Amino acid sequence: GAVVSQHPSWVICKSGTSVKIECRSLDFQATTMFWYRQFPKQSLMLMATSNEGSKATYEQGVEKDKFLINHASLTLSTLTVTSAHPEDSSFYICSASRGQGGTQETQYFGPGTRLLVL
Amino acid sequence: ILNVEQSPQSLHVQEGDSTNFTCSFPSSNFYALHWYRWETAKSPEALFVMTLNGDEKKKGRISATLNTKEGYSYLYIKGSQPEDSATYLCAFIYSSASKIIFGSGTRLSIRP
Repeated sequence: GAVVSQHPSWVICKSGTSVKIECRSLDFQATTMFWYRQFPKQSLMLMATSNEGSKATYEQGVEKDKFLINHASLTLSTLTVTSAHPEDSSFYICSASRGQGGTQETQYFGPGTRLLVL
Repeated sequence: ILNVEQSPQSLHVQEGDSTNFTCSFPSSNFYALHWYRWETAKSPEALFVMTLNGDEKKKGRISATLNTKEGYSYLYIKGSQPEDSATYLCAFIYSSASKIIFGSGTRLSIRP
């Protein structure tokens, strides 16, 4: 149990376009979902936390107008990178937790999405 | 700036040997520490959630200890097997569970 899928796994896009990444909890209801970004040889960096039906909470330094997060249901959250630029090229990974206890709950991760902006 | 450090960065171990590695974190505002295993091309998998100083947790051949006063956690693997090859990540949760910082991971390779 506790499987999280992420789609797409790879995406290459032109600079200026927008890219949507989906994160789904397949066999449980995810009260909270998290979005992370990982640059090469660096650790996972939390971008934002979202609870179903409410606005996402963004970490300091993450532009909410550039990285739009929608957590429309208990099994789906989406991250849209708007007007992507080459510096947005990175590995994006989502996770989900069952409880409402914030980051201390066990997180179930998706497999990640590698984004390359040309 | 808070920092979570994992050492070593990488480790090569002979199959059958036991090994351990470290996660160091700030000793203040501790809330919880997580360990994850991340195999190549797969999703990170939760191993342990540790909350109390002195906690020891075990899952098969893998165990972890926690010292919140001095700010470190050890992960031990007994009798390493090829399937243990992965990157092991720790995550430090602080400020009443609202903040999380991941370490860069220890990449473990098991030689047959």
